[in-house]
Amino acid sequence: KAGVTQTPRYLIKTRGQQVTLSCSPISGHRSVSWYQQTPGQGLQFLFEYFSETQRNKGNFPGRFSGRQFSNSRSEMNVSTLELGDSALYLCASSLGPVDNEKLFFGSGTQLSVL
Amino acid sequence: GIQVEQSPPDLILQEGANSTLRCNFSDSVNNLQWFHQNPWGQLINLFYIPSGTKQNGRLSATTVATERYSLLYISSSQTTDSGVYFCAVGREETSGSRLTFGEGTQLTVNP
Repeated sequence: KAGVTQTPRYLIKTRGQQVTLSCSPISGHRSVSWYQQTPGQGLQFLFEYFSETQRNKGNFPGRFSGRQFSNSRSEMNVSTLELGDSALYLCASSLGPVDNEKLFFGSGTQLSVL
Repeated sequence: GIQVEQSPPDLILQEGANSTLRCNFSDSVNNLQWFHQNPWGQLINLFYIPSGTKQNGRLSATTVATERYSLLYISSSQTTDSGVYFCAVGREETSGSRLTFGEGTQLTVNP
């Protein structure tokens, strides 16, 4: 069974631009969550989607948004990029909808904002 | 919010040595997971262990929920065990997959 797939693996953008990251969960998994990892703040929860609905949201500005499609694939979008948005963005999937399940992470998208 | 503290922050071992990593958390949890982040950045789920003890090969974990800590044991360490180990917890009132991560333990295993 294929794991969680994130694309692209690396991305370089400039300030003010917007970016879209993609995540395909493990087959059969219906819950997708996103995390941001930076050297200063560590791993922080962004949001979670189940059945195309946002179930939970972390403490990030509205420039960070996401969505989930009917096939459970998810995208996250960051608009008006800032230098501080440079980070590793990790997607995780779980079976859903039961809470507190084991999470499986993808390899991440490394975003650099210049 | 809940606080998660991991110790030690850094650990250097010789191949074949054993080690214990600790995770303390500030409030009751009903979700606790241990992850290994490899040098390529991927987080590998090692254990889902909100309570009790589990073993998987050379790795084992114990969570004492009433005392708010969890331990990860690595025996006969190998160079491939190098990387960062994270403990992550979830609370009952936060639904879904929202986990709070500790800052991690950076493990280096030398040949």
